[in-house]
Amino acid sequence: DAGITQSPRHKVTETGTPVTLRCHQTENHRYMYWYRQDPGHGLRLIHYSYGVKDTDKGEVSDGYSVSRSKTEDFLLTLESATSSQTSVYFCAISPNLEKLFFGSGTQLSVL
Amino acid sequence: EDKVVQSPLSLVVHEGDTVTLNCSYEVTNFRSLLWYKQEKKAPTFLFMLTSSGIEKKSGRLSSILDKKELSSILNITATQTGDSAIYLCAVEAGSGGSNYKLTFGKGTLLTVNP
Repeated sequence: DAGITQSPRHKVTETGTPVTLRCHQTENHRYMYWYRQDPGHGLRLIHYSYGVKDTDKGEVSDGYSVSRSKTEDFLLTLESATSSQTSVYFCAISPNLEKLFFGSGTQLSVL
Repeated sequence: EDKVVQSPLSLVVHEGDTVTLNCSYEVTNFRSLLWYKQEKKAPTFLFMLTSSGIEKKSGRLSSILDKKELSSILNITATQTGDSAIYLCAVEAGSGGSNYKLTFGKGTLLTVNP
């Protein structure tokens, strides 16, 4: 977990509300990722970033957007949360596209 | 679409047993295969295997990449209760530049009973 902070750690929200999760790193790594983890599905990539203002979609990007205005911060936004977005969200960073270092996760419940 | 399949999905053993976890993949432009251990929260890195490094060992854990069979195994000998975790396999692949991505398998839940 060193060098990666996710906030909030837990969040409960209602369907239809916007939600923003934050990932902050102190490692100055170029690559940042957002994954969600669900039972029976494993870790699935939502969006990733390969530099400031450079982002791309992953395999489950519908309903999510991201922004990276600074090297250290990568924000994940659910524009209008749905119950299917209840999940554990992990941020990960990497210096070189190889092994990832994960944050502690955010447990999001959409009621 | 890149695919990574792990088996078994779950496994229960007794302390001292040896276990073998499997990972197979179908990806375009393979770059590396990684193993992670996830206990309570964040996955932690175990091994990375590439075309130039197909076997890794650390203590009781070892892993081999079979490039011909497009698969990898993770072996744990003399298991301990602390080995109980979800073991994740991930494959890095892509077309180059910034297009490399990790695709994860669903994981193997290992439970080691005393």
